[in-house]
Amino acid sequence: AQSVSQHNHHVILSEAASLELGCNYSYGGTVNLFWYVQYPGQHLQLLLKYFSGDPLVKGIKGFEAEFIKSKFSFNLRKPSVQWSDTAEYFCAVNAGSNYQLIWGAGTKLIIKP
Amino acid sequence: EAGVTQFPSHSVIEKGQTVTLRCDPISGHDNLYWYRRVMGKEIKFLLHFVKESKQDESGMPNNRFLAERTGGTYSTLKVQPAELEDSGVYFCASSQWNNEQFFGPGTRLTVL
Repeated sequence: AQSVSQHNHHVILSEAASLELGCNYSYGGTVNLFWYVQYPGQHLQLLLKYFSGDPLVKGIKGFEAEFIKSKFSFNLRKPSVQWSDTAEYFCAVNAGSNYQLIWGAGTKLIIKP
Repeated sequence: EAGVTQFPSHSVIEKGQTVTLRCDPISGHDNLYWYRRVMGKEIKFLLHFVKESKQDESGMPNNRFLAERTGGTYSTLKVQPAELEDSGVYFCASSQWNNEQFFGPGTRLTVL
């Protein structure tokens, strides 16, 4: 069965620190990859997605992610975090023609001002 | 453009009662999805509609859950009878194709 693993459940950083959140998936075929974010009191919203092409994708608010097929990974990065990045971050995949999203457990990110 | 809306935002019911959750997708989105997050666990897929048809209902936990999308517009998810383990946040999402899914705010269901 397909699964998604997020390496850290809680991350605490100071403002201006660099961020990398790990995401690995298990599926041998073609996948579409997503990072969603849920800010406190708000809806889940898309940060970025990878379907094909350049494996380095840029999203909103300065986030980027790199798809490394050989490692089945899609790690999220931001060079300098801000207090407003405090949120829960979710990695998700869907595979082939299947539209359902398979989710990681989420990472709660707290940025100390 | 209005986003995905869900009603109610919160529901507290007793074990054995019935609850119906509603989702209104973004206008023009044929694809509608239901997901659930039980506290402390990952978000899990429940089912996927294309217009009024159930495309994939592999995630529905059991026959106490019934989802409908009459006319291919809004959808309802009924839990009857509710059990304690049904507590969680129920998310609805919609999309035009197999691309970005837009999420509603969720319905927090508490079964006592």
